[in-house]
Amino acid sequence: EAGVAQSPRYKIIEKRQSVAFWCNPISGHATLYWYQQILGQGPKLLIQFQNNGVVDDSQLPKDRFSAERLKGVDSTLKIQPAKLEDSAVYLCASSLLGLAGTYNEQFFGPGTRLTVL
Amino acid sequence: RKEVEQDPGPFNVPEGATVAFNCTYSNSASQSFFWYRQDCRKEPKLLMSVYSSGNEDGRFTAQLNRASQYISLLIRDSKLSDSATYLCVVLPSGSARQLTFGSGTQLTVLP
Repeated sequence: EAGVAQSPRYKIIEKRQSVAFWCNPISGHATLYWYQQILGQGPKLLIQFQNNGVVDDSQLPKDRFSAERLKGVDSTLKIQPAKLEDSAVYLCASSLLGLAGTYNEQFFGPGTRLTVL
Repeated sequence: RKEVEQDPGPFNVPEGATVAFNCTYSNSASQSFFWYRQDCRKEPKLLMSVYSSGNEDGRFTAQLNRASQYISLLIRDSKLSDSATYLCVVLPSGSARQLTFGSGTQLTVLP
């Protein structure tokens, strides 16, 4: 079974530039997550989608970050303009849509490693 | 105070050693607990869930103490392939249900 796909794998940009990341979740997974993982830290959730709706974006810096999942499958995360502190690995994960009160394992993609100079 | 705290290590142990990692969490309403493994420059992968009664998977044993808000992972007979960062992960109860990750504990198993 194919896993979560992400592209690009690496991106180097200068501060104030824009960048976009793409994620294709596991087929059939209704829930999609974007995480930011700064070096030496655990992943931090940025946004969670259920189908094409946003479940939680409370930790997304909305002045510069945006994300969409228009057709409920693929998703893009954009940063505009980038800052030095945005240097991190951006991980996409997906999971099945579970019943209330249940947890379904999240499967992570390989991530996009962003360096902002 | 961080929601999930772990000793960052690094832990450097010889092959065959037993090593234990600890984790504390601040939200007493947390419902589910996990250990994830992350290899260098790779994505996190679920290692095992942690149950109140304690659970074992081969050489790995996970335990939860809800009263002390403490989670542990024990690795017996360490292998070179166990070298990785181990992330303690907590899932709160309620509708939000967002995984909260610790910063991870780095393990290197030496030949």
